[in-house]
Amino acid sequence: EADIYQTPRYLVIGTGKKITLECSQTMGHDKMYWYQQDPGMELHLIHYSYGVNSTEKGDLSSESTVSRIRTEHFPLTLESARPSHTSQYLCASSDADYNEKLFFGSGTQLSVL
Amino acid sequence: QQQVKQSPQSLIVQKGGISIINCAYENTAFDYFPWYQQFPGKGPALLIAIRPDVSEKKEGRFTISFNKSAKQFSLHIMDSQPGDSATYFCAASSITYGNQFYFGTGTSLTVIP
Repeated sequence: EADIYQTPRYLVIGTGKKITLECSQTMGHDKMYWYQQDPGMELHLIHYSYGVNSTEKGDLSSESTVSRIRTEHFPLTLESARPSHTSQYLCASSDADYNEKLFFGSGTQLSVL
Repeated sequence: QQQVKQSPQSLIVQKGGISIINCAYENTAFDYFPWYQQFPGKGPALLIAIRPDVSEKKEGRFTISFNKSAKQFSLHIMDSQPGDSATYFCAASSITYGNQFYFGTGTSLTVIP
């Protein structure tokens, strides 16, 4: 049912590298989100978008940036990765007309050494 | 500040038993309360949801009980099965906050045969 894809699935990189986490959905959803998930913690919203060229920061402060040039694509970029960025990143989307249901991707597990 | 408090952090139940996970919230503006189920290596998926105009919602073996006056809601899994072993997140949202979701910290459920 869920047609939302995240790549890569796992990423191990060194400090200071620039990385982009990819997220694409084929459902035509206007709303897309990035959540950060750490063990034993709630999912924290770090970015969201309500449509093309619309991006907002979420409740959790993040050094990452996002872009929304196409409806289906919502990449997240870290210009200079640090060990504190080590986490699971989940992308989600919802239908703007009935936005209660979030569709999640399988996540990207990022480890910064 | 954590908007939704979830307990227990982990739960072990015998096959056929009842699993109960509890959540509490403070913000009376919340008007939608979903539960998400997450299997290892997957993103969360919507399991069941309730609005505060009803006190209970049942879907198969899964039931949400909602107590508006106490600002609490709980997930009951009847006849728990090993396939139910997963992490469960409660959440809350409100149109007041643009329908952004606030998640609990998750409960790791293990159902032993």
